[in-house]
Amino acid sequence: NAGVTQTPKFRVLKTGQSMTLLCAQDMNHEYMYWYRQDPGMGLRLIHYSVGEGTTAKGEVPDGYNVSRLKKQNFLLGLESAAPSQTSVYFCASSKSLRGPGELFFGEGSRLTVL
Amino acid sequence: AQRVTQPEKLLSVFKGAPVELKCNYSYSGSPELFWYVQYSRQRLQLLLRHISRESIKGFTADLNKGETSFHLKKPFAQEEDSAMYYCALSWGSQGNLIFGKGTKLSVKP
Repeated sequence: NAGVTQTPKFRVLKTGQSMTLLCAQDMNHEYMYWYRQDPGMGLRLIHYSVGEGTTAKGEVPDGYNVSRLKKQNFLLGLESAAPSQTSVYFCASSKSLRGPGELFFGEGSRLTVL
Repeated sequence: AQRVTQPEKLLSVFKGAPVELKCNYSYSGSPELFWYVQYSRQRLQLLLRHISRESIKGFTADLNKGETSFHLKKPFAQEEDSAMYYCALSWGSQGNLIFGKGTKLSVKP
């Protein structure tokens, strides 16, 4: 049972390059999230999705785009990477947040922008 | 705006001592609150949630709406409790879930 899988796990980019982080979950969860984790800043929500074909902005959406074309996948894109986007990115999924809701996290993707 | 505040970046206690990790939130409605934990080299995982009113690994947390707090407590800390702890707030029905900045708990032998 893979749970939440993120690819790639590590990536180094030059300023201005683009890339896509892929998150895949095999738990048939409706909700999916992208967070970034920075020292002293904790986890900040970038974008999230409450179902296939839907996305919404979180706390820090600027510079990122997302897509949820398939229920099991949630893609995070950087169109023109900047050094400020150097971070560890976490994807998470949840069946729901009400009642017994719980987020299941991926292992993280470490991105460095030079 | 909704916010989660964890005032302590680092909390250091000795084994066997009580521990309390503070969490305050700002939301005027009915929130759902969680504590997540990240052990070294492991994924973030749910520790407990306020609606379950459960005790996990000896930890408990009570939602105090009057003080808008959800502090995490354990009467006798163990070395294996050393980890990063995040308080999280969910509200409404739109899937919003935000985290505090986290508190690193270090339990010394």
